[in-house]
Amino acid sequence: KQEVTQIPAALSVPEGENLVLNCSFTDSAIYNLQWFRQDPGKGLTSLLLIQSSQREQTSGRLNASLDKSSGRSTLYIAASQPGDSATYLCAVKFGANNLFFGTGTRLTVIP
Amino acid sequence: NAGVTQTPKFQVLKTGQSMTLQCAQDMNHNSMYWYRQDPGMGLRLIYYSASEGTTDKGEVPNGYNVSRLNKREFSLRLESAAPSQTSVYFCASSELGRRYNSNQPQHFGDGTRLSIL
Repeated sequence: KQEVTQIPAALSVPEGENLVLNCSFTDSAIYNLQWFRQDPGKGLTSLLLIQSSQREQTSGRLNASLDKSSGRSTLYIAASQPGDSATYLCAVKFGANNLFFGTGTRLTVIP
Repeated sequence: NAGVTQTPKFQVLKTGQSMTLQCAQDMNHNSMYWYRQDPGMGLRLIYYSASEGTTDKGEVPNGYNVSRLNKREFSLRLESAAPSQTSVYFCASSELGRRYNSNQPQHFGDGTRLSIL
């Protein structure tokens, strides 16, 4: 069964700290992997999308890596800010159209 | 720049009632999706429409029907609502990539919070 797992479920860090969020998936035959941010009561905002042929993607203070052979992806956030507080979701496209989501990591950045 | 718009934002139904959730996107995307989000389970795909005129079942289609009314609009219908369908429903859209939509990011609406008593 294709599954996506995110650990930890929640994380609190002081402002300014660099942090890593983890995502693991069960099948290495993926099309792509996408990281989203979800604020309370809101929809999902796409942060980064990594194609199956890529190893990493960067956008500002965010860097996402992909290791298909080990079934892992990480989202690195540099110099965290209180505005980064949100739930971060990892989603993996195993088939042509079906996106499988993890349950997310709820991040709190403490001022 | 509306993106993906969902209506209504909140709804309370009684068991057995029917309802249609509306979704519209203004990004000229070919593909549209309906997900539900439940605590501790992540988002799960209900139905999707790869392009105008086509619809396909996702992971959890039972109890739902969809209509791709035109390129902009994709509606989700609950014919006879059940308490198990209490959830937050998200609509998303994406552009059609070269390999059947495999490589394009999905854009989400703000969700419809549905409670069934």
